[in-house]
Amino acid sequence: AQSVSQHNHHVILSEAASLELGCNYSYGGTVNLFWYVQYPGQHLQLLLKYFSGDPLVKGIKGFEAEFIKSKFSFNLRKPSVQWSDTAEYFCAVWYSSASKIIFGSGTRLSIRP
Amino acid sequence: DTGVSQDPRHKITKRGQNVTFRCDPISEHNRLYWYRQTLGQGPEFLTYFQNEAQLEKSRLLSDRFSAERPKGSFSTLEIQRTEQGDSAMYLCASSPYRSGGASGTDTQYFGPGTRLTVL
Repeated sequence: AQSVSQHNHHVILSEAASLELGCNYSYGGTVNLFWYVQYPGQHLQLLLKYFSGDPLVKGIKGFEAEFIKSKFSFNLRKPSVQWSDTAEYFCAVWYSSASKIIFGSGTRLSIRP
Repeated sequence: DTGVSQDPRHKITKRGQNVTFRCDPISEHNRLYWYRQTLGQGPEFLTYFQNEAQLEKSRLLSDRFSAERPKGSFSTLEIQRTEQGDSAMYLCASSPYRSGGASGTDTQYFGPGTRLTVL
């Protein structure tokens, strides 16, 4: 069965620290990959997505993610976090074989000002 | 505000009652999705519509759950004979249709959700 794992449930960083949130998914053929973010009191919104091409994808607010096919990973990175990055981050994978999208359980990011 | 809206935002009901939620997508979006999210988990896909056609249904969508999108605009999700295990946040999302594009390439725009509590 398809699955998406986000190993870090809660990450606490100081401002200006670098961020890397892990996302691994199970093999399932062709996939499309997404990171969504939910800021406190707001709706889920798309940060970035990968369908094909350059495996390093840049998104909004200085975020980027790298697709490593051999590792079934799509980790989210940001070189220097800000207090406003406090949010919950969800990795999501669309499996073409099942024609459905599966979300990870999310990582809560807290930034100390 | 031209985003996805959901009504009600909160619903408390007793076990065994029926509930209905409404979702109004972004007006030019042809695709509409329903998800369920429980505490500490990501959204779980329930079903999706393209215009008025329901194209995919998850096994999570038991026969107590039914969704409709009669005119290809707003959608309703009904849960009959609610159980305590149905308590969750029900999210709706919409996306624009691109000819030839699979649903997996969509950027989905989410609503605020309806929080259901079954007592």
